Amino acid sequence: NAGVTQTPKFQVLKTGQSMTLQCAQDMNHNSMYWYRQDPGMGLRLIYYSASEGTTDKGEVPNGYNVSRLNKREFSLRLESAAPSQTSVYFCASSNPGLTTRGEQYFGPGTRLTVT
Amino acid sequence: GQQLNQSPQSMFIQEGEDVSMNCTSSSIFNTWLWYKQDPGEGPVLLIALYKAGELTSNGRLTAQFGITRKDSFLNISASIPSDVGIYFCAGQRNSGGSNYKLTFGKGTLLTVNP
Repeated sequence: NAGVTQTPKFQVLKTGQSMTLQCAQDMNHNSMYWYRQDPGMGLRLIYYSASEGTTDKGEVPNGYNVSRLNKREFSLRLESAAPSQTSVYFCASSNPGLTTRGEQYFGPGTRLTVT
Repeated sequence: GQQLNQSPQSMFIQEGEDVSMNCTSSSIFNTWLWYKQDPGEGPVLLIALYKAGELTSNGRLTAQFGITRKDSFLNISASIPSDVGIYFCAGQRNSGGSNYKLTFGKGTLLTVNP
């Protein structure tokens, strides 16, 4: 099992450009999440998908959109990138339930720089 | 949003020393999780705690779920160079929704001198 995979690993954008970050998991998890990590700020939730067909805003959703394409895939889109969106982006997945309690498993991250 | 206070922010220790770090919150959590992040990688789950007072070990790592449900502690015994990284605590409320969102601390950066 590959777990959670993310593409690309690195990306440089100019202000105003758009891009989509891809995430896929092969653990048959119901829930998926997008976080950003900035120095000194820890991990902040951007959007999440509790189950296939649903998405909800997290703590810092402005400037982003998401699509839960199917149970395996959850993408994050920046429509018009801004320098403030320079960050490391992590995708995670979990399977909330009585036994697993929803521990989240993370991908390797996408390092995005907006100039 | 809800914040977890994680301390210390950073630690510099000698190989072989023991390490302690903790997280505190003003709110109750039903689950506490500890993650480690190596440079350039994503966080990896180390230990999950489900009950107040629970003490769980994973090799040289031991974590405890505080009795008040507002704190958790992580200890690393006999540190080695590969323990270097950022350690994050995370709390989960399980408030009835199905999403089980996590609240993260800001991390403890551990440096181990050989």
